Amino acid sequence: DAGITQSPRYKITETGRQVTLMCHQTWSHSYMFWYRQDLGHGLRLIYYSAAADITDKGEVPDGYVVSRSKTENFPLTLESATRSQTSVYFCASSKGTGIPGELFFGEGSRLTVL
Amino acid sequence: QKEVEQNSGPLSVPEGAIASLNCTYSDRGSQSFFWYRQYSGKSPELIMFIYSNGDKEDGRFTAQLNKASQYVSLLIRDSQPSDSATYLCAVNNGNNRLAFGKGNQVVVIP
Repeated sequence: DAGITQSPRYKITETGRQVTLMCHQTWSHSYMFWYRQDLGHGLRLIYYSAAADITDKGEVPDGYVVSRSKTENFPLTLESATRSQTSVYFCASSKGTGIPGELFFGEGSRLTVL
Repeated sequence: QKEVEQNSGPLSVPEGAIASLNCTYSDRGSQSFFWYRQYSGKSPELIMFIYSNGDKEDGRFTAQLNKASQYVSLLIRDSQPSDSATYLCAVNNGNNRLAFGKGNQVVVIP
C-alpha cells in the first residue's frame, strides 16, 4: 500500500527557475491538496482539486500552477521560484466520503530557493 | 477564509499528567473540527475529529467542542513521551479543505 508519495523530497534551486513538485496517490481519492508549511504560519492551502480536471485556488496560490489530468497525480509547479517560496510542501488527499476533513498527507518536499 | 487560532506556546508536561490544548475559530457557522498530530520532520496525521458540542473520547484523547464560545480543545490523559509532538487544530472550510492553526508543541518529560 504505497499511499501518497511526493518527489523530490529535497530540492535546492535558484531564484527564477521553474520547479515542479510531484504528488502521486494510489487510493483513487477524489480530493487532492497542496499545502505549504512555514514557521509562524502553520499549514496554508495553496491549491486543491475535487476531481481530475477540476482545480481551485486556496489561501496562497500566487506564483504556483497546478494541473490534474489524472486522478492519481497532482503536480505543483513554481513557474519562477522566489526566496519566499522556500518552504516544506505537503501534498494530501481525501476520499471525499467517510470523514470529511480526513486528509492523508505525503511525506513532504523541502524546497530551498537560493 | 475561516481563521483558526492556537495561541499557547510550547507545553511541557510530566509523564502521566494531562496535557490540555485549546483552539478558537472565527466562523460561527463552522461544522467540523479536527486535531492532527505532527512529529518533528514528519507529516500531520489525524487523531481526533468532532462535530457536535460536548466531549468525544478516543483512548487517552478527548476532544471538546463549544460552538457558543467557538473553541475546541484537546486533552491528552496519562501523557507519554511518545505524545511529544506538535498538535494542529483544523476547521473544515468546505470541499474537504481544512484551515489549520499554527500548532502547539507538546513536550512530555519522563
